[in-house]
Parts: sequence; C-alpha cells; structure tokens
Amino acid sequence: EIVLTQSPGTLSLSPGERATLSCRASQSVSSSYLAWYQQNPGQAPRLLIYGASSRATGIPDRFSGSGSGTDFTLTISRLEPEDFAVYYCQQYGSSPPTWTFGQGTKVEIK
Amino acid sequence: QVTLRESGPALVKPTQTLTLTCTFSGFSLSTSGMCVSWIRQPPGKALEWLALIDWDDDKYYSTSLKTRLTISKDTSKNQVVLTMTNMDPVDTATYYCARSNLVVPAGFDPWGQGTLVTVSS
Repeated sequence: EIVLTQSPGTLSLSPGERATLSCRASQSVSSSYLAWYQQNPGQAPRLLIYGASSRATGIPDRFSGSGSGTDFTLTISRLEPEDFAVYYCQQYGSSPPTWTFGQGTKVEIK
Repeated sequence: QVTLRESGPALVKPTQTLTLTCTFSGFSLSTSGMCVSWIRQPPGKALEWLALIDWDDDKYYSTSLKTRLTISKDTSKNQVVLTMTNMDPVDTATYYCARSNLVVPAGFDPWGQGTLVTVSS
C-alpha cells in the first residue's frame, strides 16, 4: 500500500506569509487521485484541491496544488487568519482499491 | 445541496459491535459513480479511511481492518451503514462519512459533521 508522508509536521508562519506544504508518496500516484483537505479544530475536513491541482468549489485562489509522481505540494500564497489549521493530503490506489491519508501538517500562527 | 449526517452510539463497551448510520440527501447512491466512505479520526490524530461502498454495491475495506468491517447501503432510505466488530479502546475516534465519485474522481466532498465514539467499560 502507498504511504503518504507530509512535511513539515508543523509550520509556524505569520498572516500574509506564504505557506508551502509537502506530501511525498512511497510510490508513484496518479495526479488524478491526489487531494488536499483543510481541518479546523472541532470541524470535519473540507476538500480544498482534487486532481492534484484543481480547486474545489468555493475555495479561494490563494490555495494552489501542484506536483506529480511521488511529490506533491499545497501552496497558500498569503495566509489569512482562517487558514491556520491542519492540512491532509490523500490518495487513491487501485491495487487493491484503498484510500490513504497523510499524517497532516499543522499551520500555526508564529 | 448535498448533506451527510452520522448517527450511532456515543459509548460502546470493549468487545461489542459498533453500528453507525450515515443518512444523506442531495444525491442518489444509485447514480453511476457515486460512493460513500467511512473515515475515522482518533483524538488528536490523523484521518484513517475505513470503507467505501459504490453505486453498484461494490465494497472496499481498509486492509488492516477488513476482517472487522461491514458496509452496506439502503438506497431507498438514502443510508449507508457501517458495522465494526470487537471494539477496543484504540477504536475511540470521531467517525465521518463522506461522498465521492469513482467515475469522476474529485476527493471526498462533502463530509458529515462526524460522531464521536468512545470505547470504554
């Protein structure tokens, strides 16, 4: 099974700064099946990015996704106060069909 | 508007069987491509995908938990049910259901608000 490793574990930044989050897969992942989620405390995760780079409905354009193969990146161009949260990457693998999450990156206020 | 809502017991005893229900609206699980998954999150920890059922009644399970899980659907009631046997304190978690699409993959969206299940004697 594919393992997703996110780094860093915690990112300490100030509002207005740029955040770069990494998600590395143990083997190649189809870009079509790589997604990113945001989770605020006490809330359910929210889909941000699917297909590695497509923004979900209603997601601001300061969020962008990129990457292919085993290395994927979520970038937040200018952090807003509501962006301080935990972010998870997720992939779908077909043999056998399974869905895997990374361990998460916490973006905290510096 | 698509919504999902989880329901079930807040407290179960070790060795008992957990039964959770996901009641959804705004889509049909008989539509080609549609799927519902169960995902859990222990307190302070990461998300873990558990099981998925699709429009064609195909079922997929987490490799590590497949012997304990059963997922089923009642299309007429717009419900998906997950059972997990032999519950243990390490199974204490918030359990979420979420929609996805296998024909047009676009992540899990939306999610229910989650239900916290505590395993304790």
